[in-house]
Amino acid sequence: AQSVAQPEDQVNVAEGNPLTVKCTYSVSGNPYLFWYVQYPNRGLQFLLKYITGDNLVKGSYGFEAEFNKSQTSFHLKKPSALVSDSALYFCAVMDTGRRALTFGSGTRLQVQP
Amino acid sequence: DAGVIQSPRHEVTEMGQEVTLRCKPISGHDYLFWYRQTMMRGLELLIYFNNNVPIDDSGMPEDRFSAKMPNASFSTLKIQPSEPRDSAVYFCASSLTSGVSDTQYFGPGTRLTVL
Repeated sequence: AQSVAQPEDQVNVAEGNPLTVKCTYSVSGNPYLFWYVQYPNRGLQFLLKYITGDNLVKGSYGFEAEFNKSQTSFHLKKPSALVSDSALYFCAVMDTGRRALTFGSGTRLQVQP
Repeated sequence: DAGVIQSPRHEVTEMGQEVTLRCKPISGHDYLFWYRQTMMRGLELLIYFNNNVPIDDSGMPEDRFSAKMPNASFSTLKIQPSEPRDSAVYFCASSLTSGVSDTQYFGPGTRLTVL
């Protein structure tokens, strides 16, 4: 069975500082990994995905993610956080058999002014 | 593009009543997914369709839940009878076939409260 883990329920960072939201995965076969963001009372918005190739994936709103096969990690990063980045972030892995996304438990990012 | 459209955005009903949630996928997308989000279980897939045909409904919790997709631009998720434990946010998502790496685009969700 495929799974992802987000070890931090909440991450606090000051505006302007770099941020990292952690994700580790467990899959059999090639991993297809995704990051989504959820703002209050909104749906999930796609940020970026890793399929193959370059280990550094660039996405929307200045976010990027680093795929590390040896550590089975796919951490989300941003060089300089904005207050408006405060939201709930989900890591997900594609279950290629079921064609469904398996989501992590989510990490709440709080950026303080 | 308007994105995935869901209605209603909020639904409050009493236990035992029938509830119907609606979804319009992004035009041209041939996969449609229904997910449920709860505090206890997080985000979980209920069912998905390909070209209007249900492919995997193994996530549907019980017979009280049913989903249909009568055409490429409309799907419904019905709960009959509803129970308080069905209270959750229900998301619809759609994707365009490009392989297993398809990006799923989510609607704003329907927040269901069953009293």
